[in-house]
Amino acid sequence: EILMTQSPATLSVSPGERATLSCRASQSVSSNLAWYQQKPGQAPRLLIYGASTRATGIPARFSGSGSGTEFTLTISSLQSEDSALYFCHQYNNWPPYTFGQGTKLEIK
Amino acid sequence: QVQLVQSGAEVKKPGASVKVSCKASGYTFSNYAIHWVRQAPGQRLEWMGWINAGDGNTRYSLRFQARVTITRDTSATTAYMELSSLTSEDTAVYYCARGGAGNYPNDYWGQGTLVTVSS
Repeated sequence: EILMTQSPATLSVSPGERATLSCRASQSVSSNLAWYQQKPGQAPRLLIYGASTRATGIPARFSGSGSGTEFTLTISSLQSEDSALYFCHQYNNWPPYTFGQGTKLEIK
Repeated sequence: QVQLVQSGAEVKKPGASVKVSCKASGYTFSNYAIHWVRQAPGQRLEWMGWINAGDGNTRYSLRFQARVTITRDTSATTAYMELSSLTSEDTAVYYCARGGAGNYPNDYWGQGTLVTVSS
């Protein structure tokens, strides 16, 4: 089973600044990596798939990069509505598909 | 628009079973798989299994294989997840999500169903 580890656990950034979130896989997942946003009481929302492709309707200030075992989600020009839990998901080696434990992004 | 609408919250006794439904609309049901993922309080998301809505083929996580059954009714465009032999550790929000029967992400998710297991 592939272990997905995210860092940091919590990130506090000012509006208009940039946030950088990391995700590491215990073994290569190629580019089969997705990022999701989850707000309290809501279902996850797909942001990025294929490590760097934005999902439909996702603003350009969300970008993903990486391949193999190291991945990054960058959110530029942070807005208050970006406050949420972000987690990564590998769908390369399954079963099982696995998820990171999440990074909580707080907007100061 | 793609929608996945799940059944309502459940409270079950230890040892019982629970069956959660997921009604799909806005797309061709048989062209995708439906995955089931759960989130226990304070824990990361945990994948349970999927069903290929087209041919009914299923794959399960080894962790749940002995206790979970995923089915679908193509005429009703609905998928079901039944989990048996419940314990308090099964208390979680259960999500269905659209995906593929392979290397695909989950692009649309249901609203989640809270299952509480308590004596």
